Formats: sequence, structure tokens, C-alpha cells
Amino acid sequence: AQSVTQLDSQVPVFEEAPVELRCNYSSSVSVYLFWYVQYPNQGLQLLLKYLSGSTLVKGINGFEAEFNKSQTSFHLRKPSVHISDTAEYFCAVSVLYQGGKLIFGQGTELSVKP
Amino acid sequence: EAGVTQFPSHSVIEKGQTVTLRCDPISGHDNLYWYRRVMGKEIKFLLHFVKESKQDESGMPNNRFLAERTGGTYSTLKVQPAELEDSGVYFCASSQQLNTEAFFGQGTRLTVV
Repeated sequence: AQSVTQLDSQVPVFEEAPVELRCNYSSSVSVYLFWYVQYPNQGLQLLLKYLSGSTLVKGINGFEAEFNKSQTSFHLRKPSVHISDTAEYFCAVSVLYQGGKLIFGQGTELSVKP
Repeated sequence: EAGVTQFPSHSVIEKGQTVTLRCDPISGHDNLYWYRRVMGKEIKFLLHFVKESKQDESGMPNNRFLAERTGGTYSTLKVQPAELEDSGVYFCASSQQLNTEAFFGQGTRLTVV
């Protein structure tokens, strides 16, 4: 079975500071990796995904993530956050040949303060 | 292009009543997924349609939940009878191909009192 662990439930950070949201996964088979964001009163929006190829993935809004197979991690980073980045972030995996269903982590609430 | 639409956005019902949630996926998306987030927990998969066929319903909690996708377009998720533990946010998502971007609706917040 697969599982996803987001190590921080809440991350407070000041505007223009860098941020890293941590995600570890467990799977005995190959997976695809995703980060989704949910802004207040909105649905989930894809930030970025790793399917194959370069382990450094760039997404929207200046976010990037690095796939580390040996550490089974997919941490999300942004060098300088804005107030508008305040949202809940979800790491997720999907298993090859299992219909594309997503297995989510618990979510990390990013709170950017002025 | 319209996104994934869910209706209603909120629903408050009494224990024992029936509620039907609706999801309109993006036109042309054969894959439709239902997920649920109970407060304080992670988002969990409920089921997956490919067109009108249930591909995977391994996440459905029990037989009080019934999902349909007649004609392979919109989908409904009925809870009958509702219990207190059914409260949560129900998300619908659709995708054109497997393991590509899944587009999510805004969710339906269900409260059972």
C-alpha cells in the first residue's frame, strides 16, 4: 500500500522569506508525484507534477519541487513567498496502472505574514 | 472552458435523511473521481469512473453511498441514510487521461446534524 506523509501541518513564514514544505511517500512500486494547492473557498489546483525525467520540477507561481528517490521525498520550495501564497498545500501520489487515483498527504497550511 | 462544477456548495441535513451531490466534469474528460475530506483528516479517494463505468470503487465507505454516471457525463453521489460521520467536504475531479492533471471542483461541504 502507498502512503504520503506531510511532515508539517502548519508552516508560518514571513513575506519574502524562503519556504520548504516537506513530503515523504512510501510505495513499493513506481509512482507519479503531485503538489496541489487549495486557496480559501476554492478547489484544488495543480502546482506541479513529476512523472519522469529531470528530478527538479518547476511549477506555477514560482514553486519547484525535487524528487529524491533514495529518500522517497518530494519537497516543495519557493525562494520568496508572498501573502497570496497563503493556502493549504497537498502532496499526492498516484500509482502506475492503478487508474490515476490520488493518495494524499494530510495537507500543510502555509501562512504568510507581512 | 468551464471547469469542474459541483452542486450544491453546502448542504446541511439531519441524520437519516438523503442527500445527492452532483458533479459536472470538464467536457470530454472520460475519467471522473470522487474524493472526501473528513475534518482534520487527509483527502481520501472514494471511486473512479471511466465514462459511465465504475473502474474502482474501493474507497466507498459502505453501501449507504451510491455513485452513478449515467451517459458518461455528469455524476451523482447519493448518501442514504446520512450519518454524522459522513460530514466532510466531497470533491470531484476529472481528467482526460490517466495520470495527467486532474482538475478539481470546489467541493461540496456536507454537514450532517
